[in-house]
Amino acid sequence: GAVVSQHPSWVICKSGTSVKIECRSLDFQATTMFWYRQFPKQSLMLMATSNEGSKATYEQGVEKDKFLINHASLTLSTLTVTSAHPEDSSFYICSASEASGRGEQFFGPGTRLTVL
Amino acid sequence: AQSVTQPDIHITVSEGASLELRCNYSYGATPYLFWYVQSPGQGLQLLLKYFSGDTLVQGIKGFEAEFKRSQSSFYLRKPSVHWSDAAEYFCAVVGGTSYGKLTFGQGTILTVHP
Repeated sequence: GAVVSQHPSWVICKSGTSVKIECRSLDFQATTMFWYRQFPKQSLMLMATSNEGSKATYEQGVEKDKFLINHASLTLSTLTVTSAHPEDSSFYICSASEASGRGEQFFGPGTRLTVL
Repeated sequence: AQSVTQPDIHITVSEGASLELRCNYSYGATPYLFWYVQSPGQGLQLLLKYFSGDTLVQGIKGFEAEFKRSQSSFYLRKPSVHWSDAAEYFCAVVGGTSYGKLTFGQGTILTVHP
């Protein structure tokens, strides 16, 4: 149980285009989903927290107009990188937690974004 | 400020040897503690967690962890390492005013020699 999927697993796009990444909880209802960014050989950096049906809460320094997050249902959250630039190239990981959980998060497999 | 520190950036052990990774945290009260493992290009897999009670917890893949309140530390251990254990290990903490958000340590890369 507690499986989280991400799609796509990797994507290559041209500079200036937008890319959407989906995060789905497959066998549980995720009241909260988290989006992380991970640079090579570094730890995970939390970008934002999203609760179903409400606006995402962004961490300091994360541009909310650039990284659009939508959590429209209890099983789906999306991250859209708008007007992507090469510096946005990174590994993006989502996680999900249940309302009854004690902070335990279940992680997706990650999405490798490369912006040319 | 709340923080999580993994003292070792890189550890190398021989296959069959024991392993111990340390995680130090700085929080006002006992937080919830987690150890995750990440293989290259993959997401994170939960190895084990500590919420309360018995300070020795068992996890998957033969891992166990010990919570030492007096040291504000959470140790990850495995008696006999396998080559497939080579990966990066992250300690993570939920606590204080983090409102369910995980704070990760810097990670420890484990290399296993045959």
